[in-house]
Amino acid sequence: NAGVTQTPKFRVLKTGQSMTLLCAQDMNHEYMYWYRQDPGMGLRLIHYSVGEGTTAKGEVPDGYNVSRLKKQNFLLGLESAAPSQTSVYFCASSYLAGGPNTGELFFGEGSRLTVL
Amino acid sequence: KQEVTQIPAALSVPEGENLVLNCSFTDSAIYNLQWFRQDPGKGLTSLLLIQSSQREQTSGRLNASLDKSSGRSTLYIAASQPGDSATYLCAVRPFTSGTYKYIFGTGTRLKVLA
Repeated sequence: NAGVTQTPKFRVLKTGQSMTLLCAQDMNHEYMYWYRQDPGMGLRLIHYSVGEGTTAKGEVPDGYNVSRLKKQNFLLGLESAAPSQTSVYFCASSYLAGGPNTGELFFGEGSRLTVL
Repeated sequence: KQEVTQIPAALSVPEGENLVLNCSFTDSAIYNLQWFRQDPGKGLTSLLLIQSSQREQTSGRLNASLDKSSGRSTLYIAASQPGDSATYLCAVRPFTSGTYKYIFGTGTRLKVLA
């Protein structure tokens, strides 16, 4: 059982380049999230999705776009990368359908992005 | 606005010691609270999930308690080992932000000395 898988794990971009981070989960979770983690800032929510075909903005959405065309996949795009987007990006998923483990959040291993 | 605080930010203890990590939150209206472990360069691993109706959860040497009325949770680690060295984060899922949002603390960095 793979859980939450992120690709790529590392990437270096030049300012202005674009890229897409892929998150895949095999737990049939409805809810998926993209966070960024920066030293001293903790985890900040970029975008999230409450189901296939839906997305919504989190705390720090500017400069990012997302898509959830399939339930198991959540893509995070950077259209024109900036040095301020250098960070570690985490994808997470959860289900909220009831039961003893409802609301448990599962994370991927992270994607380390450097923008020069 | 819900805020989650973890104090201290860093902690060093000798191997074998029992220790307690603290998590405080400002609004008791939560669905659940979750403890995570994060190793350097890795993702967050779920340790324990406590639903709002529960008082504690246990897994091996770990025990987490929840006191909503005081806005506190503690993570108790028994007989600490060097392999327990990591950053421990807590997160709450508050009523007021919709069912899907989580508020994270900034973590306690634990070092267990051999």
